[in-house]
Amino acid sequence: DAEITQSPRHKITETGRQVTLACHQTWNHNNMFWYRQDLGHGLRLIHYSYGVQDTNKGEVSDGYSVSRSNTEDLPLTLESAASSQTSVYFCASSEGGEDEQYFGPGTRLTVT
Amino acid sequence: RKEVEQDPGPFNVPEGATVAFNCTYSNSASQSFFWYRQDCRKEPKLLMSVYSSGNEDGRFTAQLNRASQYISLLIRDSKLSDSATYLCVVIAMDSSYKLIFGSGTRLLVRP
Repeated sequence: DAEITQSPRHKITETGRQVTLACHQTWNHNNMFWYRQDLGHGLRLIHYSYGVQDTNKGEVSDGYSVSRSNTEDLPLTLESAASSQTSVYFCASSEGGEDEQYFGPGTRLTVT
Repeated sequence: RKEVEQDPGPFNVPEGATVAFNCTYSNSASQSFFWYRQDCRKEPKLLMSVYSSGNEDGRFTAQLNRASQYISLLIRDSKLSDSATYLCVVIAMDSSYKLIFGSGTRLLVRP
């Protein structure tokens, strides 16, 4: 069955370190998204991609970057982790613009 | 003002009860709406799309009121398994197809 996976599921890192969160989908979807979820804010879009070599900034993109070198993967990099980036991160993919988004299981990141 | 607003709850109801949630959105030009369900510490999953004419899926009914800019979700005959957070979602109107999420309404169904 097609799926979307994230790794690691849990990560503890120190302030200032570079961290990369992986997202891999086997749906063959063109659209991929990264969100963070914090209490009181709901899900907020960090970056998104509509295809290979395409990346776009979301509403909370500062301090994050993504790259899309193939259809299946959209890794999210925190250039220099900050305590404010402690959050739960969800990756999602969809076939079309207004189609259902399928979410990965999430990565719980703690920056100490 | 947030683009999508929801009452955070929690709504605490007994099994078998009928419960309704509302969600308001700020952009009157919004065209596409959804309800997602999120269980504790899990990923969100699509519950249902919301159509202009309203739509029903088993015990769940979604309605759209464009004039007042709100969407609603009605759950009849609540089950313990309905306990979750319900996220109201609107698609952005800037052609990016980004989803804009409300903060969610928490539902607790008690025996």
